[in-house]
Amino acid sequence: EAQVTQNPRYLITVTGKKLTVTCSQNMNHEYMSWYRQDPGLGLRQIYYSMNVEVTDKGDVPEGYKVSRKEKRNFPLILESPSPNQTSLYFCASSFAGTGPYNSPLHFGNGTRLTVT
Amino acid sequence: AQSVTQPDIHITVSEGASLELRCNYSYGATPYLFWYVQSPGQGLQLLLKYFSGDTLVQGIKGFEAEFKRSQSSFNLRKPSVHWSDAAEYFCAVGASGRGNQFYFGTGTSLTVIP
Repeated sequence: EAQVTQNPRYLITVTGKKLTVTCSQNMNHEYMSWYRQDPGLGLRQIYYSMNVEVTDKGDVPEGYKVSRKEKRNFPLILESPSPNQTSLYFCASSFAGTGPYNSPLHFGNGTRLTVT
Repeated sequence: AQSVTQPDIHITVSEGASLELRCNYSYGATPYLFWYVQSPGQGLQLLLKYFSGDTLVQGIKGFEAEFKRSQSSFNLRKPSVHWSDAAEYFCAVGASGRGNQFYFGTGTSLTVIP
């Protein structure tokens, strides 16, 4: 089954404790992206990757890191989480093709992060 | 700058009634437009997309959307709503160029009453 898998689904942590949210897709997609979803703000892009070893900032990258060492995996790293990073996070992927802006995104089920 | 506006934060409809969710976009070139649905505890699922051609596009679950260039709109419709349609709906525009490739609206939450 084609899917984007995120782990964990729920995470509660304390300020400053480094964490990683994993994301894996099995569709051989070139493009992968991380979003955060906050009430009243919709989805905002954190980082994206056009292919292996090619990553770039989205609209709200501060406080986050990513890496793309393999095509299927795109982990999100919070090296020193703060309470304002409490949010619902989604990983998504799609074919890059001539886009990827013209290819539908496939989303994971989300990771709800709480930083106290 | 690219942007997407969904004017209705929350809509309540009766089961069996028709539905229209509004979406307005701002984009300088030909837009690639999407509607996604998010059920509770789930990720977003694609309902339909518009790239070019016929301005009325059909999607899954009986949804359709109409692209109106003159109004910069891409409204989502369904003739008869089912209780299972209760969810949050997001409109998005795909944008070429470096940086963010997808701009999402803030979403419309749909409640369906029996």
